[in-house]
Amino acid sequence: DAGITQSPRHKVTETGTPVTLRCHQTENHRYMYWYRQDPGHGLRLIHYSYGVKDTDKGEVSDGYSVSRSKTEDFLLTLESATSSQTSVYFCATQTSGGQTDTQYFGPGTRLTVL
Amino acid sequence: QKEVEQDPGPLSVPEGAIVSLNCTYSNSAFQYFMWYRQYSRKGPELLMYTYSSGNKEDGRFTAQVDKSSKYISLFIRDSQPSDSATYLCAMSEGAEGFKTIFGAGTRLFVKA
Repeated sequence: DAGITQSPRHKVTETGTPVTLRCHQTENHRYMYWYRQDPGHGLRLIHYSYGVKDTDKGEVSDGYSVSRSKTEDFLLTLESATSSQTSVYFCATQTSGGQTDTQYFGPGTRLTVL
Repeated sequence: QKEVEQDPGPLSVPEGAIVSLNCTYSNSAFQYFMWYRQYSRKGPELLMYTYSSGNKEDGRFTAQVDKSSKYISLFIRDSQPSDSATYLCAMSEGAEGFKTIFGAGTRLFVKA
């Protein structure tokens, strides 16, 4: 898993509450990504980071924000969780951000919003 | 219509069979093509990467890209129970990792 951990691994929360998911890497990779995986949709990019304090939106960024204050940590926040955000969230890292460079995925966080 | 289409399966085969997994796509600008394997309750891991058209072989795995038909395939020879997983195709127009589009995945079961 290229030294990628995600916390928590499982979370159940209620609609309207804020939720923060953490991704931690030990590989000193510059790029970090947050994806969500839903049946029938595959992996969809939420946000990504290309350096400390450098982030940008992905395909499905509405309702999510991110922060990266250190190379090793990338946080995903659901500002006010909704049932449509029930999903499995994966963090990935990459050395340089190019397609010839492997994306390494973390083990995932299973989030349920009631 | 989704940019990348992949039959969700499940596909069930006996051990030793040749497995063919496929994806079709609509964007003719895709140039980078990847296959990921994802075991249950785990993150995806890169299996194969191909740039543009042609074949690429790695052990029991062969990736094929047919850009004229907008069709990519992953073949697994001498399939093993340990190959049981979900296989995701992925592709991108440009070299940037954040532009990758993933298929929904095909579940494969290899029976001993």
